[in-house]
Amino acid sequence: AQSVSQHNHHVILSEAASLELGCNYSYGGTVNLFWYVQYPGQHLQLLLKYFSGDPLVKGIKGFEAEFIKSKFSFNLRKPSVQWSDTAEYFCAVSYNNAGNMLTFGGGTRLMVKP
Amino acid sequence: DSGVTQTPKHLITATGQRVTLRCSPRSEDLSVYWYQQSLDQGLQFLIHYYNGEERAKGNILERFSAQQFPDLHSELNLSSLELGDSALYFCASTRGGGPTEAFFGQGTRLTVV
Repeated sequence: AQSVSQHNHHVILSEAASLELGCNYSYGGTVNLFWYVQYPGQHLQLLLKYFSGDPLVKGIKGFEAEFIKSKFSFNLRKPSVQWSDTAEYFCAVSYNNAGNMLTFGGGTRLMVKP
Repeated sequence: DSGVTQTPKHLITATGQRVTLRCSPRSEDLSVYWYQQSLDQGLQFLIHYYNGEERAKGNILERFSAQQFPDLHSELNLSSLELGDSALYFCASTRGGGPTEAFFGQGTRLTVV
């Protein structure tokens, strides 16, 4: 079965610190990659997505992610976090042979201290 | 606002009961996906409907069922509820066809007591 691993369950950073959240997925053919964010009490919102092309993807709110095919990774980065980035972040994968069904990682809770 | 509407937002019910969760997708979307988010299992895919037809099943219990109606709204029916069914249930919609992003509703928080 396909799986997605997020290495960090909880991350605590001070404002202005840089962020990198790891995400690895299992091989299953052609993949589409996503990072979603869930603010407390809210629904999942798309931060960025990768389908094909340039492996460095820029998303909303200053986030970016890099797809490294050889490492089956899609790490999320932000150069300088803000208190408002406090949320839970989910990496997700869909495989082209499985429609747009998403397989999610376990999530990373980010707390940014002011 | 994602354009996906889920009702109710909160539901508290007793063990053994049956509940129905409702999802209205974005107006242009034909596909509806249901996901369960729980503390121990994380976010798991339950079932996918496209234009009224079931397309894929994930880790969905036999006590659970779903359907998508001609107006494309979907309902997830959970029966013989157990304490362990307490979770946040999300639906998401997509246009269908090729790879595309999913838009999520606010979720229904189900508490079984």
